[in-house]
Amino acid sequence: EVQLVESGGGLVQPGGSLRLSCVVSGFGVSGTYMTWVRQPPGKGLEWVSVLYVGGRTYYADSVKGRFIISRDSSKNTLFLQMNSLKTEDTAVYYCAKVAALEFFEFWGQGTLVTVSS
Amino acid sequence: QSALTQPASVTGSPGQSVTISCTGTINDVGAYNYVSWYQQHPGKAPKVVIYDVNSRPSGVSNRFSGSKSGNAASLTISGLQAEDEADYYCSSYTGSNTYVFGTGTKVTVL
Repeated sequence: EVQLVESGGGLVQPGGSLRLSCVVSGFGVSGTYMTWVRQPPGKGLEWVSVLYVGGRTYYADSVKGRFIISRDSSKNTLFLQMNSLKTEDTAVYYCAKVAALEFFEFWGQGTLVTVSS
Repeated sequence: QSALTQPASVTGSPGQSVTISCTGTINDVGAYNYVSWYQQHPGKAPKVVIYDVNSRPSGVSNRFSGSKSGNAASLTISGLQAEDEADYYCSSYTGSNTYVFGTGTKVTVL
């Protein structure tokens, strides 16, 4: 059974950092494309970042230079390091498996990040 | 990376059909057949209902169908049921190794 479980969310002050984790079971994170998507409270979905099989990474303009996506194959876990956080980064963050670059096949339940002083 | 444009809401009665539009540009929806649609119930994670414009994942009702013409895609829900009441989002690969979502549509079943 495929399962993605995010953790690491919480309350952080503007300018602070947070690292999100996404523990995966049912498939290997190193053998597929993985992504992060966020959703501000009461608003729509926003794509954040993708990690390719070969290791290349890409980011939305809104987080480029501040967020870093990575993985640990030994722990079968996807990460999102978030630095220089802004109030507009407040959202539920979802990790998801990308099917062959085409669509987001499986999703986690999400973890809430609140950036506030 | 501007969001794809969707109507804010659509409403239908049980048994009717509703169609949700998703308008993009020549750089996203118009360039690739990688348009997907997601259903999201309140407090839940999104779930894919259509991928590659008109393909249905295993387990998704055949009441869901998709299409595309030029820079616009659409999702049709036939035989509307109470359980279809949710938010729906389209998404497209953009070609510059990024993705974009639609603004979202709330489907209400009367």
